[in-house]
Amino acid sequence: AQSVTQLGSHVSVSEGALVLLRCNYSSSVPPYLFWYVQYPNQGLQLLLKYTTGATLVKGINGFEAEFKKSETSFHLTKPSAHMSDAAEYFCAVSGVGAGNMLTFGGGTRLMVKP
Amino acid sequence: GAGVSQSPSNKVTEKGKDVELRCDPISGHTALYWYRQRLGQGLEFLIYFQGNSAPDKSGLPSDRFSAERTGESVSTLTIQRTQQEDSAVYLCASSLGSRSYNEQFFGPGTRLTVL
Repeated sequence: AQSVTQLGSHVSVSEGALVLLRCNYSSSVPPYLFWYVQYPNQGLQLLLKYTTGATLVKGINGFEAEFKKSETSFHLTKPSAHMSDAAEYFCAVSGVGAGNMLTFGGGTRLMVKP
Repeated sequence: GAGVSQSPSNKVTEKGKDVELRCDPISGHTALYWYRQRLGQGLEFLIYFQGNSAPDKSGLPSDRFSAERTGESVSTLTIQRTQQEDSAVYLCASSLGSRSYNEQFFGPGTRLTVL
C-alpha cells in the first residue's frame, strides 16, 4: 500500500522568505510524485510532477521539488514567498499499475505574512 | 478552454435523503476519477472510470455510494440514505488516459452538507 505524509498541516512564512513544504512517501515501486495547489474555492491545480529522469523538478510559479529516493522524500520549495502563494498544498503519489488513482497527503496550508 | 465542471457547487440535504453529484470531464479525456475531501483532511480516492467501465471501485466507503458514466462523458456519483459523515467536498478529475504519468485535471468540487 502507498501512503503520503506531509509534515506540518500549517506553515507560516514572511513574504520574501524561503518556502519549504515537506512530503514523504512510501511505495513498493518507483513512484510518480505530484504536488497540487488548491486556492480558496478553486479546484486542485498541478504545480509539478516527477515521473522519471532528472530528480529536480521545476514547476509553475517558481516552485520546485527534489525527488530523493534514499530519503523517500519529495519536498517542495520556493526561494522567495509571495502573498499570492497562500493556499493549500497537497503532495500525492500515483497508483501502481493501471488506474493512476492518486494517494494524497493530508495537505499543508501555507500562510504568507506581509 | 473548458475544464472539468461539477454541479451543483453546493448541496445541503437532510440525513436519509439521496443525492446525485454530476461531473463533466474535459472533452476527449477517457479516464475520470472521484475523490472525497473531508474537512481538514487530504483527498480520498473513491472510484475511477476508464471509458464507461469502472475497473476500481475499491474506494467507495459503503454500498450507499455508486457511480456511473455515460460513454466517455458525464459521470454521476449517487449517495443513498445520506449520513452526516458523508459531509465533504466531492472532487472529480479527468485525464487523457489512466497511466501513471497522465496529469489529472480537477473540477472545483461539490460541497455536500448533510444535516
